[in-house]
Parts: sequence; C-alpha cells; structure tokens
Amino acid sequence: AQTVTQSQPEMSVQEAETVTLSCTYDTSESDYYLFWYKQPPSRQMILVIRQEAYKQQNATENRFSVNFQKAAKSFSLKISDSQLGDAAMYFCAYRSAMNYGGSQGNLIFGKGTKLSVKP
Amino acid sequence: NAGVMQNPRHLVRRRGQEARLRCSPMKGHSHVYWYRQLPEEGLKFMVYLQKENIIDESGMPKERFSAEFPKEGPSILRIQQVVRGDSAAYFCASSPFTWGRYNEQFFGPGTRLTVL
Repeated sequence: AQTVTQSQPEMSVQEAETVTLSCTYDTSESDYYLFWYKQPPSRQMILVIRQEAYKQQNATENRFSVNFQKAAKSFSLKISDSQLGDAAMYFCAYRSAMNYGGSQGNLIFGKGTKLSVKP
Repeated sequence: NAGVMQNPRHLVRRRGQEARLRCSPMKGHSHVYWYRQLPEEGLKFMVYLQKENIIDESGMPKERFSAEFPKEGPSILRIQQVVRGDSAAYFCASSPFTWGRYNEQFFGPGTRLTVL
C-alpha cells in the first residue's frame, strides 16, 4: 500500500521569504501523480500544484514550485515570496495513475504541515 | 458551472442518531469520492462511487456507514447510530472521467459533523 509522510507538523516563515515543505512517499508503482493541497481555515481543499511522475521537469505555478526526486521518493514544495494569505495547512497527496475498470484511484494524503506566515 | 456542493455545512447529532450528508457533484461529473478528516489529521479515503454503483469502498467502516449515488440526485453518505468518534469533517470530491486522461478531483467545502 502507498503511504505519504509529512515530517514537519508546523513551519513558520517571514513574509516575503521562502519556505520549503517536505514530503516523502512510498510506492511500488511507476506511474502516479503527486499533489500539494492547501487548506485554509475555511477548510476548503485547494489544489496548489500537481506533478506527473513520468515527467522529469519539476512543476511550477507562479510562486509555488516542487522539487520532485523520483528515486528518493521525495516531493517538496517551495513557496517563494511568502504572503500572509499563504498561511494554511498544506497536504501532500499521492494518486495512482493506473485505471482499474474505470477507477482513477483515490487520493492518499499525508498528515499535513501547518504553515504560519509572520508579518 | 457551480462547484461541488455539500450540505449541510454543519451537522450536530446526538449519539445514536442518524447522519445524512449530501454531495452534489459538478455538472457533467459522474464520479464521486468521499473522504473523512479527523481532527489534526489528513483526509482519509472512504468510498468511490459512480452513478448507481459503488466502485471502491475499501475505506468505509464495516458497520453503520453506507453510501449511494443514485441515477438522479446527490450522493448520500449515511451514518447510522452515530458515536462521538464519528465527529469529523467529511469531504466529497467529484471528477469527470475520460479513458487515458488525467481527471482532476474537485472538492466540496465539507460537512462538519459533531456528535454530542
């Protein structure tokens, strides 16, 4: 079974600085997707960034980028120029890319990292 | 195109009562996933449904929990005889489906269940 581990329960960053959130995962599959989700106090799950395992290039979305190390099974999120609105819980998630009779596979989440942004 | 809708947003039940959580997927989406988030935890998969079919219920507790996604109407997650340990946020996500392509799951705002 696949697992996702986030070893940093809490992180803090100064506004305008850069912070990196860590995530490792375990799988025997070769084709999968990795995600970072943001959950603000409203509890709405917001997709921040997605990485496809077969792509070597690291995904980037504006101030958010990932460092995907497939051999090491590591998937960290870098937030540049941190803003007060970035304060939230961040969840790393894994999803198989295999189709089983129409199933696209559920998401497997880590326990999350609570990010605080100091003004 | 309205997003995934869940209601109620907050639900309070006493121990032993039934809880019914509803999820209306985005228009055109025929796949629904239910997840549960216990306090201080990440989301855990419960069940995956297509219209009129349960595809994967490997994350559902064996007793008291059931889910359906009828041909017409929303998907329902039903918890019978609730206990305090059922207090959690329950999220629904929907996705379209096309063979051979990535299909994103879009999340609803969640229902927070409190069992007194």
